[in-house]
Amino acid sequence: AQKVTQAQTEISVVEKEDVTLDCVYETRDTTYYLFWYKQPPSGELVFLIRRNSFDEQNEISGRYSWNFQKSTSSFNFTITASQVVDSAVYFCALSGNTDKLIFGTGTRLQVFP
Amino acid sequence: DTGVSQDPRHKITKRGQNVTFRCDPISEHNRLYWYRQTLGQGPEFLTYFQNEAQLEKSRLLSDRFSAERPKGSFSTLEIQRTEQGDSAMYLCASSQVASASVYTQYFGPGTRLTVL
Repeated sequence: AQKVTQAQTEISVVEKEDVTLDCVYETRDTTYYLFWYKQPPSGELVFLIRRNSFDEQNEISGRYSWNFQKSTSSFNFTITASQVVDSAVYFCALSGNTDKLIFGTGTRLQVFP
Repeated sequence: DTGVSQDPRHKITKRGQNVTFRCDPISEHNRLYWYRQTLGQGPEFLTYFQNEAQLEKSRLLSDRFSAERPKGSFSTLEIQRTEQGDSAMYLCASSQVASASVYTQYFGPGTRLTVL
C-alpha cells in the first residue's frame, strides 16, 4: 500500500526564519513520483514540484529547496527566509503505477511578521 | 492558458437532495481527476478519466456518486440523496498524459458542499 506521512501538523515561525517541512513516504512501486502542493487560505492547490524516483538530485527554486533521499524514503521541503505570504497548508503527495495522487495530511505553516 | 475551472464554487443543500458539480479542465488535457477533501485532511482520490473513459474509481465512491465525461472535455460529478457526511470540498484536476509517463495534475478552485 502507498502512504505519505507528514508528521508536523502545524509550524509557526517568524519572518526570515528558515523552515523545513518533512515528508516520509511508503511504496512498493519501483517507479514513482513525489509532489509538493501549496494550499493557501483561498483553497486552491498550487503545484510546486514533481520529482521522479530515479532522480535524487536536490532542487532549488528561489527560496524553495527540496531534499529527496530514497534511503530514508523522505522528500523534505525547505523555505529559506520565510515570508508572510508563505503561510499556507503544504501537502506532500505520491503517485506510483497508477496516476492517482496519495496525499499526506498536510502541514500548516504560519509565518508571523 | 486558462486553468481548471469548477462550478459552482459553493453549494448548500438539504439532506436527501441531489447535487451536480461541473469541472472544465485545462484545454487539451486528456486526463481529468476528482478528489474529495474534508476539513484538516489531504485530498482523497475519487475517480479519473482519460478522454471519455473512466479508468478507475475509488472505494470511497459509493453508488450514490456518479461521474461522467461524455465528450472527453468537461466532467460532471453527481451525488444523489446527499448525506451530511458528504459535506466536503470537491476538487477537480487535469493533466496531459502522452504515454505511460505521469504528468503533473493541476487543480481547480474546488466546490465546497455543505449538506444541512
